[in-house]
Amino acid sequence: GAVVSQHPSRVICKSGTSVKIECRSLDFQATTMFWYRQFPKKSLMLMATSNEGSKATYEQGVEKDKFLINHASLTLSTLTVTSAHPEDSSFYICSARDTGLVDYEQYFGPGTRLTVT
Amino acid sequence: GQNIDQPTEMTATEGAIVQINCTYQTSGFNGLFWYQQHAGEAPTFLSYNVLDGLEEKGRFSSFLSRSKGYSYLLLKELQMKDSASYLCSLGGSTLGRLYFGRGTQLTVWP
Repeated sequence: GAVVSQHPSRVICKSGTSVKIECRSLDFQATTMFWYRQFPKKSLMLMATSNEGSKATYEQGVEKDKFLINHASLTLSTLTVTSAHPEDSSFYICSARDTGLVDYEQYFGPGTRLTVT
Repeated sequence: GQNIDQPTEMTATEGAIVQINCTYQTSGFNGLFWYQQHAGEAPTFLSYNVLDGLEEKGRFSSFLSRSKGYSYLLLKELQMKDSASYLCSLGGSTLGRLYFGRGTQLTVWP
């Protein structure tokens, strides 16, 4: 099946710094990717829809200036957590759909565990 | 908006059958999905229902009733490796957008 990768898998950063997380579709093109976050023992919360070549669409309550999304190519979307704080510590997961297919299935990346100290 | 409700935890024994229920309210229905998630890992796709009825795939089946806002995931011949969180989710208006319930943590005992 299709593969989505994320990098890094784990990152620890100091409060006030910025962290960039990459999401790549390895064997298909994705005009749209999605970013989720998940707190321990909680469900996934959709943060934003990343659109190739245009601005991301953020869900209500998600600060677009804090979570910067760039979808510069058909295989790469990046999420930058700016001025990170301990409450931003979470599991961040991306997903992507194969643009060439007219079906519902999407593929999730393995996730990035962010810890802000 | 969407509202999804499912039990927080369930337990069952190896070899048994378990049914995980999900009720939902949504302003626009775009399909119902079930995902499996092991701790610390990304979700993996299990099933998709857009029409009423039962979809069977091996040991897993999923049922949908749109008029009742109800779905269930049926797992047969349970194995220890089935211990995981099972997420009921609704499709958004944009294909690929998903809204997840809190998940049901299933523990399978030997």
